[in-house]
Amino acid sequence: DGGITQSPKYLFRKEGQNVTLSCEQNLNHDAMYWYRQDPGQGLRLIYYSQIVNDFQKGDIAEGYSVSREKKESFPLTVTSAQKNPTAFYLCASNGGPSTDTQYFGPGTRLTVL
Amino acid sequence: GENVEQHPSTLSVQEGDSAVIKCTYSDSASNYFPWYKQELGKRPQLIIDIRSNVGEKKDQRIAVTLNKTAKHFSLHITETQPEDSAVYFCAASKTSYDKVIFGPGTSLSVIP
Repeated sequence: DGGITQSPKYLFRKEGQNVTLSCEQNLNHDAMYWYRQDPGQGLRLIYYSQIVNDFQKGDIAEGYSVSREKKESFPLTVTSAQKNPTAFYLCASNGGPSTDTQYFGPGTRLTVL
Repeated sequence: GENVEQHPSTLSVQEGDSAVIKCTYSDSASNYFPWYKQELGKRPQLIIDIRSNVGEKKDQRIAVTLNKTAKHFSLHITETQPEDSAVYFCAASKTSYDKVIFGPGTSLSVIP
């Protein structure tokens, strides 16, 4: 999982501003995922992408947007439409149908003031 | 919709005892069941997984059992150690490549 990076580790934004979280992987993985984790809770899927230039909504996509222009990059934008954006955001990747493990990045903790 | 339930939400055991965490899933098409360990402020790490064509899998002190008919699976940790203290998540998906549905997590505390 050292091949997945997220930046920054901590991010502060004012209410009403859009913010983009970075996720990069050098594992040559096809699939990438974004999860949101709130304190004391599990991981909820925001968006995922199994191939470049294609992505699907997860369970809580409202207020978020993504792009997948390159295989190694899957940035997540938290828009002002997201009502409670303060959370821990985790990116993950998977090598494809013949592999098992979903590797996670170190996460970005977003705080909206 | 798809759902994974997990029990208990918190678990305290004495060092050396066993810990068992149980999960149930709703989507009968699920075939892949990973377990993740997450230490405070860190990323989840895969500790063991099982596929639907296997009833049990063991890796040293950790084992997972699967009952596909009843749609439940369990994590067993034997000879617990303080470093086992963490939050454990079960999950289910059709394949590891599809979207993965996570349970709410179990906070395990191992008391020295």
